[in-house]
Amino acid sequence: DVQLVESGGGLVQPGGSLRLSCAASGFTFSNFWMNWVRQAPGKGLEWVANIKQDGSQKYYGDSVKGRFTISRDNAKNALYLQMDRLTVEDTAVYYCARRDCSNTSCHQFGYWGQGTLVAVSS
Amino acid sequence: QSALTQPPSASGSPGQSVTISCTGTGSDVGAYDFVSWYQGNPGKAPRLMIYEVNKRPSGVPDRFSGSKSGNTASLIVSGLQAEDEAYYYCSSYAGTNNLVFGGGTKLTVL
Repeated sequence: DVQLVESGGGLVQPGGSLRLSCAASGFTFSNFWMNWVRQAPGKGLEWVANIKQDGSQKYYGDSVKGRFTISRDNAKNALYLQMDRLTVEDTAVYYCARRDCSNTSCHQFGYWGQGTLVAVSS
Repeated sequence: QSALTQPPSASGSPGQSVTISCTGTGSDVGAYDFVSWYQGNPGKAPRLMIYEVNKRPSGVPDRFSGSKSGNTASLIVSGLQAEDEAYYYCSSYAGTNNLVFGGGTKLTVL
């Protein structure tokens, strides 16, 4: 079975840093684009970043560009999100998600983890 | 403020049908047939229910269907069951590797 397990969340002060991890199993990790999606308390989902299979392409949402860095280690089946210069607006549950493709598109997330909570507060 | 607009709540009795709307713009929902719907609950991993407007992944009951007209997409849940009570989120491709989501709709089975 496909499993995605996030870790690394916690309480951090504004301006601080945190590194999230996502451990993948049950599929060939190196074959898929991977994503981070977050959900602030009482809010909807927000796409954060994604990374190509070999790590050669990375894209970010406007709200995190320049502060967050996505990376992956295919040998360890792991996805990461380095979060720097955190603000209270970054408080959210962070999910990793696998981007799946049909015959016609690759714009859906077929598998998600259960998320890890990041709380930014002084 | 989410990019896509959903009603905060929807409800129906067991066996009834419920429709949840998702309104975007001509740059996302109206521009592409790449609308997805996800079922979510606190503490659980979201689940893909519909992709490309009206396609169901394997394992999703055929009670779930989708449609789109102009800048508005819809999720239709027919023959409501208690297990369908959850939050539902829409998403749409918005060009240039950009994906936007809705604010979510809490579906209550009365």
